[in-house]
Amino acid sequence: DTGVSQDPRHKITKRGQNVTFRCDPISEHNRLYWYRQTLGQGPEFLTYFQNEAQLEKSRLLSDRFSAERPKGSFSTLEIQRTEQGDSAMYLCASSQSGRAWNEQFFGPGTRLTVL
Amino acid sequence: RKEVEQDPGPFNVPEGATVAFNCTYSNSASQSFFWYRQDCRKEPKLLMSVYSSGNEDGRFTAQLNRASQYISLLIRDSKLSDSATYLCVVNWGSAGNTPLVFGKGTRLSVIA
Repeated sequence: DTGVSQDPRHKITKRGQNVTFRCDPISEHNRLYWYRQTLGQGPEFLTYFQNEAQLEKSRLLSDRFSAERPKGSFSTLEIQRTEQGDSAMYLCASSQSGRAWNEQFFGPGTRLTVL
Repeated sequence: RKEVEQDPGPFNVPEGATVAFNCTYSNSASQSFFWYRQDCRKEPKLLMSVYSSGNEDGRFTAQLNRASQYISLLIRDSKLSDSATYLCVVNWGSAGNTPLVFGKGTRLSVIA
């Protein structure tokens, strides 16, 4: 399977704990995006990378959220000191820059539950 | 005004019906437009890109009106398998290759 993969698929944690999610994009894609989706809403953009450069992070929800893509391949999203309001589906998507239409392809998501 | 607004739904239609979804967007500089489909508890999947001249893919037809900042999706001869949430999506900035902004989605249930 050469699609976008995410790990873990589900994460249950207690409030105050740190969590880290991983995303592996489609291999030839140089752009990688993180979104969050809550029930009844569309995905909400958080941050994105082109290769290893983080091009936009102003929409990260708070300073407890951070993302990295150190080698321009896989990316991690970390949430520190989790809160119950962080419970959501965290989606990763990838695309190839230089194309006129920014068609993004999504991974299966990581569903986070904060108790 | 929300960046992307869609019909609230849900739409419940019989098999074989034609159904239309409407969407408006607020950023006149947006360049890329899409419809994504999302099944329950699954990731969004690209259904079709929306081109200025409108485009058709089988039973699905998408239209774009830049002057009105309006996008539509028409599904003809609905199938049970079309039941899903349909997300209207536009790119965030003036360049085509930027993050996407999603509407809340419109849920469609096709009934036998």
